[in-house]
Formats: sequence, C-alpha cells, structure tokens
Amino acid sequence: EAGVAQSPRYKIIEKRQSVAFWCNPISGHATLYWYQQILGQGPKLLIQFQNNGVVDDSQLPKDRFSAERLKGVDSTLKIQPAKLEDSAVYLCASSLGLGQGGSSYNSPLHFGNGTRLTVT
Amino acid sequence: SQQGEEDPQALSIQEGENATMNCSYKTSINNLQWYRQNSGRGLVHLILIRSNEREKHSGRLRVTLDTSKKSSSLLITASRAADTASYFCATVLNSGGYQKVTFGTGTKLQVIP
Repeated sequence: EAGVAQSPRYKIIEKRQSVAFWCNPISGHATLYWYQQILGQGPKLLIQFQNNGVVDDSQLPKDRFSAERLKGVDSTLKIQPAKLEDSAVYLCASSLGLGQGGSSYNSPLHFGNGTRLTVT
Repeated sequence: SQQGEEDPQALSIQEGENATMNCSYKTSINNLQWYRQNSGRGLVHLILIRSNEREKHSGRLRVTLDTSKKSSSLLITASRAADTASYFCATVLNSGGYQKVTFGTGTKLQVIP
C-alpha cells in the first residue's frame, strides 16, 4: 500500500509569514493526525480528525494554526502568522481508527516523512 | 503534553549487545506502542502491547508492560548498526469513540559497529 504523503519536505519562511502543509493519508484510514516535533523531543499532537470531523484540537494554538480535512481524505495545516518557536518538523499520520458497531481495535499509526519548517 | 517519560535519554552500545529502553506513563491506557524514528524520517511502528498483556515478542524485539507500575520496557537483542535511531513509546487510550495517542520523550540509540 502507498504510505502517507506529505509536502513540502522542507520550508523556510520569515516570521509573520504564512505557510501551509499538505497530507494525503493511506487510503481507507479514517483517522488523521497532525503532530509537531521540536528537535530532540517527542511528537506533540496538534489536531486529530476522525473522517472529516475534529475529535481533538486541545493543543492547537488556534490564534495562528488552522487545519481542515476535506471530504475526509486529504488535509492541510496552516500557520499564519508564523513565529520563531514554530520551527519544527510537522508530521502527519493516519490510522484505521476504532472499529465499527461499538467494538474497538487498536491500530498503529502510519507516519509520513514530515515537513521541516524553519522560521527565521 | 508528553505522557511517557523515557529512560535513558541516550544510549550508546556496541554491535551485538542488547539495548533496553524504559517508558513510564501517568494515566490509564488501552495499549502501549513502540515506534522507531530514523534521522530525518517519520516514525515507524514496531510493536503493540495491550493493557491485559505482560510480554510480547517480535523478532529481536521484546516488550514488557507493568500496568501496576505504569511502565514498559523495550529490549532489542543482538543489536545492529541499522538499529541506530530514536525510539518512542506511545500510550493509547480509547475515549469518546477515538484513540488518544500520546508520545513519550524518546531514547536516542547509537549502535557502534
């Protein structure tokens, strides 16, 4: 199966500019995640979609970050305006999500290679 | 916020030796997963252990889980230079119809040929 696709691979912008990242998850995966990974740290969840609805955006800085998942497939994450502390790798991941009919199973996350953002 | 704290933060061993990484977490979980991240790449899933399991094996990997102590360990036996990477534990809690996945701080492993 094709993996999670992300673009661009690298992006350098000046502070106060805007930037957008794109993610195409694995076909059939209901859940899509955006994580922020600062150098030397573990990934931190920014936003999680189940199909095209947001289920968790508690750690998303909503004054500058926004995300959408059109038709429950592709997703874009936008930062406007960017700050120096936004320099990080932005990782997109997808998973099958929970099972149907009330049952649940636990599916691993599949990650893209990320977008490395440098804000100068 | 980071759910898991990993120990050690960095580990350097000779090829052929075993590597052990530990993960401690704070809240209830449904399962715990381990991931590997090579430099400049995304994370790759290694192994999943459910909350009612105590030990699981996959190839050269052995994972243990102690829910009473809220801790897990990952053992890589007979390490190879290709195992050089960062390793992350991730706790999973099924809540409100979705999986909440929280990553730890990671252990950076260097295997010297």
